[in-house]
Amino acid sequence: DAKTTQPNSMESNEEEPVHLPCNHSTISGTDYIHWYRQLPSQGPEYVIHGLTSNVNNRMASLAIAEDRKSSTLILHRATLRDAAVYYCILRDRMNRDDKIIFGKGTRLHILP
Amino acid sequence: GAGVSQSPRYKVAKRGQDVALRCDPISGHVSLFWYQQALGQGPEFLTYFQNEAQLDKSGLPSDRFFAERPEGSVSTLKIQRTQQEDSAVYLCASSLETSGGRTGAQYFGPGTRLTVL
Repeated sequence: DAKTTQPNSMESNEEEPVHLPCNHSTISGTDYIHWYRQLPSQGPEYVIHGLTSNVNNRMASLAIAEDRKSSTLILHRATLRDAAVYYCILRDRMNRDDKIIFGKGTRLHILP
Repeated sequence: GAGVSQSPRYKVAKRGQDVALRCDPISGHVSLFWYQQALGQGPEFLTYFQNEAQLDKSGLPSDRFFAERPEGSVSTLKIQRTQQEDSAVYLCASSLETSGGRTGAQYFGPGTRLTVL
């Protein structure tokens, strides 16, 4: 699976939008972009995924650049409960393996 | 509904002891994964089951690590002769899809924190 690059940490104020960037310049045409997050003392939690078009769900939005070399996870109104490590992951649908390759992610701090 | 459960949540072992970590996946989920997470790092893949078949064990760090899923549901990760470097959180995840659906979400349990003294 291709590699992703994320900032080590970010801060945001409570009740404001948060934009978490991810670069994946070597993405292939069959790679899906997935986001997971890990709250303190919990296992990772699926957030959202997409291929080419922007995606929205109840947790977040995913904005994908036209060339697919970068993407942004958008939390529309951050709460203290959104403080977590956010992982941007590429998953190739042509791979035989289903395993997820995590990087170090972005640690998001929410300021009250 | 019930999510993925793991037991015990915490385990302290003396160096050289054997440990067994249990994972109860979501009912009906075909795929089951084990990951190891060291402090401050992202989870790292250990092994993968599709039903009872272990399809990938490339991430197991040594032959002291052994995983099984004999009836295609509950899985056990066993570590023999534990070493201090085995101290980590062991995460289990399950998903509905078989290897044909790589876009599916994996659902993680809370993990077992293993400390080897």
